[in-house]
Amino acid sequence: ETGVTQTPRHLVMGMTNKKSLKCEQHLGHNAMYWYKQSAKKPLELMFVYNFKEQTENNSVPSRFSPECPNSSHLFLHLHTLQPEDSALYLCASSQVSGGHYEQYFGPGTRLTVT
Amino acid sequence: GQQLNQSPQSMFIQEGEDVSMNCTSSSIFNTWLWYKQDPGEGPVLLIALYKAGELTSNGRLTAQFGITRKDSFLNISASIPSDVGIYFCAGQLYTPKSTFGDGTTLTVKP
Repeated sequence: ETGVTQTPRHLVMGMTNKKSLKCEQHLGHNAMYWYKQSAKKPLELMFVYNFKEQTENNSVPSRFSPECPNSSHLFLHLHTLQPEDSALYLCASSQVSGGHYEQYFGPGTRLTVT
Repeated sequence: GQQLNQSPQSMFIQEGEDVSMNCTSSSIFNTWLWYKQDPGEGPVLLIALYKAGELTSNGRLTAQFGITRKDSFLNISASIPSDVGIYFCAGQLYTPKSTFGDGTTLTVKP
């Protein structure tokens, strides 16, 4: 595997379900990100992890819970979501170096909340 | 917060034509990134720019970091059908919190 991988690619869940999104990066980067991409909106940064420590939580509701066990893996745990949470969830990684952060994205998980 | 205006919102061009799009910010950045996104996929990094005035090419793509540090341009020469997609700019100011433009949707007619 190369680059950034995400599983599952598609997920349909009810509002009372609990599910998790998984991301893995094979680029040797030390920072990982979760973004939300909704139709007609710019990408929204949700969380940033730098060397496994969460450094950014962009006012994300607590029904989204990230986990970063190491610098290669990132999870997004989902529970009691709302229909408006339906979107493409993108994981990205970057090297943290010299004030520049080239973010490389995974293919995304298309989430539908029913 | 920072705002990015990306234009045009959409473009319909003939195969072989050149394309230009740009992003303008209300404040300065130290990094500009250009991405392309195909339907159902994640954005793919095309070009990264790090210095004001910098001009960088990647095949038929050329991007420039504006002198004012508040804008950036992407040009595609001799477009082909596989150039179809949504192009995003993103700006950073010494932080991984990228600000993204709304995207330019490119349609190429054979």
